[in-house]
Amino acid sequence: DQQVKQNSPSLSVQEGRISILNCDYTNSMFDYFLWYKKYPAEGPTFLISISSIKDKNEDGRFTVFLNKSAKHLSLHIVPSQPGDSAVYFCAARMNYGGATNKLIFGTGTLLAVQP
Amino acid sequence: GAVVSQHPSRVICKSGTSVKIECRSLDFQATTMFWYRQFPKQSLMLMATSNEGSKATYEQGVEKDKFLINHASLTLSTLTVTSAHPEDSSFYICSARGRGKEKLFFGSGTQLSVL
Repeated sequence: DQQVKQNSPSLSVQEGRISILNCDYTNSMFDYFLWYKKYPAEGPTFLISISSIKDKNEDGRFTVFLNKSAKHLSLHIVPSQPGDSAVYFCAARMNYGGATNKLIFGTGTLLAVQP
Repeated sequence: GAVVSQHPSRVICKSGTSVKIECRSLDFQATTMFWYRQFPKQSLMLMATSNEGSKATYEQGVEKDKFLINHASLTLSTLTVTSAHPEDSSFYICSARGRGKEKLFFGSGTQLSVL
């Protein structure tokens, strides 16, 4: 049962344009969402996060939007740059309390930014 | 950002041998470490969670006697794949989180190939 879904396995965007990566989840108990970027043969690196009590968080070229009623979040990158080309994972946290909260990852979206 | 070092980055071994993967937090105390596995074109799948000084908690379907996890200190966790078989070939990634922190910091991953 995939609780976090990224339905687009890949996305191609022209340099300078906006990249929109989508993520859907099924569990309303998730309280924190994160986006990670991953290059081949490397571990993921943290990009941006959002708490379930917010609907938007912005950091430079990256903005994450959360629509709780639709159980949907999206990552906007604008303007897109060739160096943004990577696999992007969204992740959701189930709040168990204490130190054992774990993240559930989506399947990833491969973003290719064309020069 | 925080640094997590994972070693080795790549290992090729014969079927039946055991392989140890190390994960170190270099500049913070990792009270919780997570071990993930990623098969090609699939998501990061959580294998187990370990808190310093206590036994690891394994996800359903992960054999604890096959994947031995030791989190003996606040900066080191190890994953030992015992009696490895070709189906264990995968990309293994560790991640670490400090006390009271939300973000996970990932190691660079280990590509295990079992012949």
